[in-house]
Order: sequence, then C-alpha cells, then structure tokens
Amino acid sequence: DTEVTQTPKHLVMGMTNKKSLKCEQHMGHRAMYWYKQKAKKPPELMFVYSYEKLSINESVPSRFSPECPNSSLLNLHLHALQPEDSALYLCASSQGFPQGGNQPQHFGDGTRLSIL
Amino acid sequence: GQNIDQPTEMTATEGAIVQINCTYQTSGFNGLFWYQQHAGEAPTFLSYNVLDGLEEKGRFSSFLSRSKGYSYLLLKELQMKDSASYLCAVSLNQAGTALIFGKGTTLSVSS
Repeated sequence: DTEVTQTPKHLVMGMTNKKSLKCEQHMGHRAMYWYKQKAKKPPELMFVYSYEKLSINESVPSRFSPECPNSSLLNLHLHALQPEDSALYLCASSQGFPQGGNQPQHFGDGTRLSIL
Repeated sequence: GQNIDQPTEMTATEGAIVQINCTYQTSGFNGLFWYQQHAGEAPTFLSYNVLDGLEEKGRFSSFLSRSKGYSYLLLKELQMKDSASYLCAVSLNQAGTALIFGKGTTLSVSS
C-alpha cells in the first residue's frame, strides 16, 4: 500500500465521456503531480501544483484539466479523450518548496485508463 | 535539452551483483534519485545522491560523480523479486518539483 491514494484503479471510457481521476495524500506535502505513463516507458510529467497553485503545465492538451481543491487532494478532469490517451496515470506528492529538493516524490498506484 | 541515459535491459542471476549505470546532461542539478517500478505498480523510492560518493542502504547502493554526470545503482545478493524497472531521475530545482526521468532499465533476475 502507498501513502498516496488514487481512485479509480481502472477506468474505461468512451471518447465523448467526462470523468475524473482523484488523488489524496495526508503526508502534509505541499507539491502534487500528475504523470502519464505508457507501457515500458518512464513517467512523463503533466502538471505540478505547489501550495495548491498550478506551477507547471507541460503543454498538456486542454482535454485534461487539473484541479487542486485543497492541500491533500488533486483531481484530473477528463473530457473528449482520444485512444492514444490510454495509459497509466500516476499521482505523486512531495515536500516541495522551499527546501524539498532532497525529498523523494511518493507515487500512488495509478489509474489505468482505457479509451474506447 | 535534458538527456538521461540508461541501458534498456539487463539480465542477472540470483545471488549475483548487478550495476545499473546512468549518465545525465541536464540544465540544472539538485540531486539524483533512483526508483524501482514493478510492472503495473507505482514507482517506489530507492535512493538519493546529491554529493559525490556512495550511499549504501542494505542490498542497494548508489554512487554519484557530478563532474562526470554519472551515477550507478548497485544491487547485491540479487533476488527474483528484484526483477523490475529501475528509473534514474534528476531533480532540476531546489524545491524538488522538477524531476526528469530516464527511460528506465528493465532488470530480469533468473534462478
């Protein structure tokens, strides 16, 4: 079991559906992340939130919309996804600014997303 | 641009020692992390180096040379459960919020 909890574990959706992925951590971390991981590839950073504010958006298409309601929660809203968006979506958290550079990111188990 | 290189695959036998190398050329450097990821699971933290030298943690050790842009992960007394992907990741900033991953090395341990 990890300290970062993601729901759902699996999600199958059509290209016209709207769904949300959820992530929660109670480690007091102030930085939270969304990564996308395709099979046999490393995680690719999508978004970073620092103190509940979006600090990095790695040119992610607008069909992915992140939200950080509070310091413990991170959502990823999905709309009109494409088949190539099928992947494992990982949430992570870390201590963050100002001196969190030597602290690792802690990952959730991910949501395996399939787009039909 | 950012460049982190690791071998794609390695094989070893139970009880052996294996060294996984990682070289990097990045715009910033605030330390290097090693993660282990079993298929279908989350990456888990193994080690962190920011100063030159060796960090030892049980069967796992990690080494860093900043001047050479080089790190390695050393796994001793290999077990079947060590079969996994090993990811080298460079932290670009002091807050630890900008992490660039290498492509990962898939290690297969056989009996």
